[in-house]
Amino acid sequence: AQTVTQSQPEMSVQEAETVTLSCTYDTSESNYYLFWYKQPPSRQMILVIRQEAYKQQNATENRFSVNFQKAAKSFSLKISDSQLGDTAMYFCAFCPDSGGGADGLTFGKGTHLIIQP
Amino acid sequence: DAGVTQSPTHLIKTRGQQVTLRCSPKSGHDTVSWYQQALGQGPQFIFQYYEEEERQRGNFPDRFSGHQFPNYSSELNVNALLLGDSALYLCASSSRDQGVETQYFGPGTRLLVL
Repeated sequence: AQTVTQSQPEMSVQEAETVTLSCTYDTSESNYYLFWYKQPPSRQMILVIRQEAYKQQNATENRFSVNFQKAAKSFSLKISDSQLGDTAMYFCAFCPDSGGGADGLTFGKGTHLIIQP
Repeated sequence: DAGVTQSPTHLIKTRGQQVTLRCSPKSGHDTVSWYQQALGQGPQFIFQYYEEEERQRGNFPDRFSGHQFPNYSSELNVNALLLGDSALYLCASSSRDQGVETQYFGPGTRLLVL
């Protein structure tokens, strides 16, 4: 079984600042995927970014980037030039690579990010 | 391109009743997963369906059951409802060809058990 830990229940930054959300995980799997999802107050869970564990290069999607440290089992999300619309719950999630078999996601408890104007 | 849809959006039931929630996957997706999200928590995996069969199950009792239809849509059934079943139920879809691990979520069904 795997666990995902998000140690920051809530964070608040000013608009245009850079913010980093932390995530650590524990697993005995060697191949897996990591994700960050955003859940605004509207509650629709939106995929922000995806990282394959076998890739050393950190994933980037526009203003969102990750710092993936496999040995440390750490997967942080950096949001640059934060915008008011970034206000949401952010969930880190883990999925083992079962070679195309069934894969359920394991989520952390989330970090509530508030962008202040 | 329609995303994942779920119905109903809200539902109120009483203890002991049964409920059925519905999900239509994103176009081109063949796999459906269900999650339960209690207030203030992250989603918890219930089960995943592919080719009309349950492929993997999380730590949920047999009161939780599901079904997948030939058009890939899915239902989640919960029998003998308990107060603790009150939660947001999320459906996610993915594709075996494109990577079953990358799941796209619907807006959820908010279930309240009184």
